[in-house]
Amino acid sequence: LAKTTQPISMDSYEGQEVNITCSHNNIATNDYITWYQQFPSQGPRFIIQGYKTKVTNEVASLFIPADRKSSTLSLPRVSLSDTAVYYCLVGAATGGFKTIFGAGTRLFVKA
Amino acid sequence: GAGVSQSPSNKVTEKGKDVELRCDPISGHTALYWYRQSLGQGLEFLIYFQGNSAPDKSGLPSDRFSAERTGGSVSTLTIQRTQQEDSAVYLCASSWRGWRVGGSDTYEQYFGPGTRLTVT
Repeated sequence: LAKTTQPISMDSYEGQEVNITCSHNNIATNDYITWYQQFPSQGPRFIIQGYKTKVTNEVASLFIPADRKSSTLSLPRVSLSDTAVYYCLVGAATGGFKTIFGAGTRLFVKA
Repeated sequence: GAGVSQSPSNKVTEKGKDVELRCDPISGHTALYWYRQSLGQGLEFLIYFQGNSAPDKSGLPSDRFSAERTGGSVSTLTIQRTQQEDSAVYLCASSWRGWRVGGSDTYEQYFGPGTRLTVT
């Protein structure tokens, strides 16, 4: 399993774009990159997943460079409700595998 | 349809007692996962099931922890002779096997609300 490294915490203000970068130097050829969001007292919630280049959905964008050794989750125009912990995971796309979440990045959005 | 459900939502038990935590996954999900999260910490992987089989039990903290899954659906996590360090939120998640759906692979795990275990 590829190890991931993320910043422990980040601060932002409402309306700003937030970019959280995750390092995964030992990513394997078959690994996908997945990001989850967790609010206090709730289980994590899937945000986005990608393999290479750029993926965008209604919530976020995921940028993955050609070497795939890192990835950046981009949250456009954050609001107070985006305050949460964000986890980067690297692993096989097929379900049913050991998954390691790591410590995550605590994002604080201020008014 | 219904999401992942867990019961009980809260459990307070005395040190040394056994507890059983239950997880009902989303219908049709073949993969099921158990995690533990201590206050202010990240998720600690415990075990996963593919169908009724648990190929990797190395994440279980000690032999006091065991888990089973029957009929490819409901799973129970049992902690014997509970200790105070077992106090945490226990989260269950389920997912599809992960085959290509709608043109894209997905590895999305759907989480339940968790069981908060307090050992006094």
